[in-house]
Amino acid sequence: DTGVSQDPRHKITKRGQNVTFRCDPISEHNRLYWYRQTLGQGPEFLTYFQNEAQLEKSRLLSDRFSAERPKGSFSTLEIQRTEQGDSAMYLCASSSPHLNQETQYFGPGTRLLVL
Amino acid sequence: GENVEQHPSTLSVQEGDSAVIKCTYSDSASNYFPWYKQELGKRPQLIIDIRSNVGEKKDQRIAVTLNKTAKHFSLHITETQPEDSAVYFCAAPKKDDKIIFGKGTRLHILP
Repeated sequence: DTGVSQDPRHKITKRGQNVTFRCDPISEHNRLYWYRQTLGQGPEFLTYFQNEAQLEKSRLLSDRFSAERPKGSFSTLEIQRTEQGDSAMYLCASSSPHLNQETQYFGPGTRLLVL
Repeated sequence: GENVEQHPSTLSVQEGDSAVIKCTYSDSASNYFPWYKQELGKRPQLIIDIRSNVGEKKDQRIAVTLNKTAKHFSLHITETQPEDSAVYFCAAPKKDDKIIFGKGTRLHILP
């Protein structure tokens, strides 16, 4: 499968624990985006990277959230001291300047449940 | 501000009929408008997109129209089929390529 992949697909954790999600974009896609999606809503932008540089962070991204893309390939999203309100689907997407930079291809998401 | 409004939130149409979903956006700098389809438990998938230099684009049973003056764009699905049942999202990018999604339209195709 050459699409965007995410791991794990599901995560159940207790409030106060830290969790880390991984996203592997499509090969050679220079941009990588993180979104959060709650039931009945569209994806909400969290942050994005161009290569290894984090270019923008949403106001939704509290200081408990941190994202990295150290080598410009895969990315991790960490949530520290999880809260019940963090329960959501976390989606990753990537895009390439060689096709259409604005077209984003989504991964299957990581569904987080905080108890 | 950053705003993409999508209507209706739910739409039921008889199989074979047409469905229309409308979105409005606020950032006049937006120049690319994708539509995504998301089936239950699956990832959003791009189904069609349009750039601001054209007013309409078609791909088989799916079409998108854009009115830049009024800042709205619409998705049209003709001859609807059961597999069209899903949630559809419109989106509009900001100039920094951050995409703002609408809240989605749940489309039900009735037998």
